[in-house]
Amino acid sequence: AQSVTQLDSQVPVFEEAPVELRCNYSSSVSVYLFWYVQYPNQGLQLLLKYLSGSTLVKGINGFEAEFNKSQTSFHLRKPSVHISDTAEYFCAVSPLRTGFQKLVFGTGTRLLVSP
Amino acid sequence: ETGVTQSPTHLIKTRGQQVTLRCSSQSGHNTVSWYQQALGQGPQFIFQYYREEENGRGNFPPRFSGLQFPNYSSELNVNALELDDSALYLCASSWGLGGGAQNEQFFGPGTRLTVL
Repeated sequence: AQSVTQLDSQVPVFEEAPVELRCNYSSSVSVYLFWYVQYPNQGLQLLLKYLSGSTLVKGINGFEAEFNKSQTSFHLRKPSVHISDTAEYFCAVSPLRTGFQKLVFGTGTRLLVSP
Repeated sequence: ETGVTQSPTHLIKTRGQQVTLRCSSQSGHNTVSWYQQALGQGPQFIFQYYREEENGRGNFPPRFSGLQFPNYSSELNVNALELDDSALYLCASSWGLGGGAQNEQFFGPGTRLTVL
């Protein structure tokens, strides 16, 4: 079984400041890792994913994340945030085994960007 | 290319009633997954359909059931509604199974169900 822990329920930050949203996971099998963003009254949009290869993954809207296998972490970062980045961010994992793709989500981190 | 659409957008039911939620998958996709997102929580996997067959189920009781049609659209049915069923129900479509890059799930905007 897999589980995902997002350590911060809410992260307030000023516009143009850097931000890091933390994610740790637990799994008995190898997993893929994802970050999704959810704007108010909308569905989920994929920001980035780690499937294999380089542990530093770049996504849309200037976000990036680093996979750390030894620490079982996949923290999301952005060097300079905008007001429009205010949203809920979800970290998720999915087992690699063939024939089944089930996303296991964390509880989310609300990013609040103020001027 | 049409994205994932869900209907209705909002729904209010009372305890004990039954509800059907609908999802149209993105063009070219043959796999649909359903998730329940309670207020303040992350989405939880309900089940997945691949080519009209259920292909995996999360920890939800049998009163949660689904269907996938030949055009790959899908329905989620919930019987004997309980107050705790109040949530945002998300549908996601993808092509094929497995975890490869081509299997990225695309989410619809969701249906918000309120059970009174």
